[in-house]
Amino acid sequence: AIRITQSPSSLSASTGDRVTITCRASQGISSYLAWYQQKPGKAPKLLIYAASTLQSGVPSRFSGSGSGTDFTLTISCLQSEDFATYYCQQYYSYPWTFGQGTKVEIK
Amino acid sequence: QVQLQESGPGLVKPSETLSLTCTVSGGSISSYYWSWIRQPAGKGLEWIGRIYTSGSTNYNPSLKSRVTMSVDTSKNQFSLKLSSVTAADTAVYYCARDSKGIRGGFDPWGQGTLVTVSS
Repeated sequence: AIRITQSPSSLSASTGDRVTITCRASQGISSYLAWYQQKPGKAPKLLIYAASTLQSGVPSRFSGSGSGTDFTLTISCLQSEDFATYYCQQYYSYPWTFGQGTKVEIK
Repeated sequence: QVQLQESGPGLVKPSETLSLTCTVSGGSISSYYWSWIRQPAGKGLEWIGRIYTSGSTNYNPSLKSRVTMSVDTSKNQFSLKLSSVTAADTAVYYCARDSKGIRGGFDPWGQGTLVTVSS
């Protein structure tokens, strides 16, 4: 199975900050990577697919980049509603696998 | 828009079979892949497997020997069975629509249902 290493596991930031989360795949996955946001008690929400394509309705302050093994999720100007846990997921080969998650907390 | 709803027992005894159904509303179940994902309390996400509306399946090898998925297009439902459960199978179980090719990712998701394995 492809392992996805996500970092950091948590971070503290303030509203207005620029936040970057990274995922590294144990082997090349082209651009077959998605990003999700999960709030407590809720299902994850798809933010980005194909590494950099914004899902419909997702604010433009979210962006994704990367291909091959290294990927980045950037929130350009953190808003109060963005405090949540973020996961990446590869869908290049079975089994689909997720990163361990990054919890974005208020500083 | 398409909505998903999981249903099934919230409590299952050890060694028994966990059975869940996901009902799709607001759209047809046909011509899509449908996945099950689970999340133990306070932990990350684990993909269990997926089914196409033809009945074709892909399972996570870590669970493959215990998992069976099925689909009922007449009811717009798909189902999960996980046999010989233990406490390690206690989790919130989500159903979600999966995608083909590069246009990937799970969307939408059901709200999730907590399944506890305990005697």
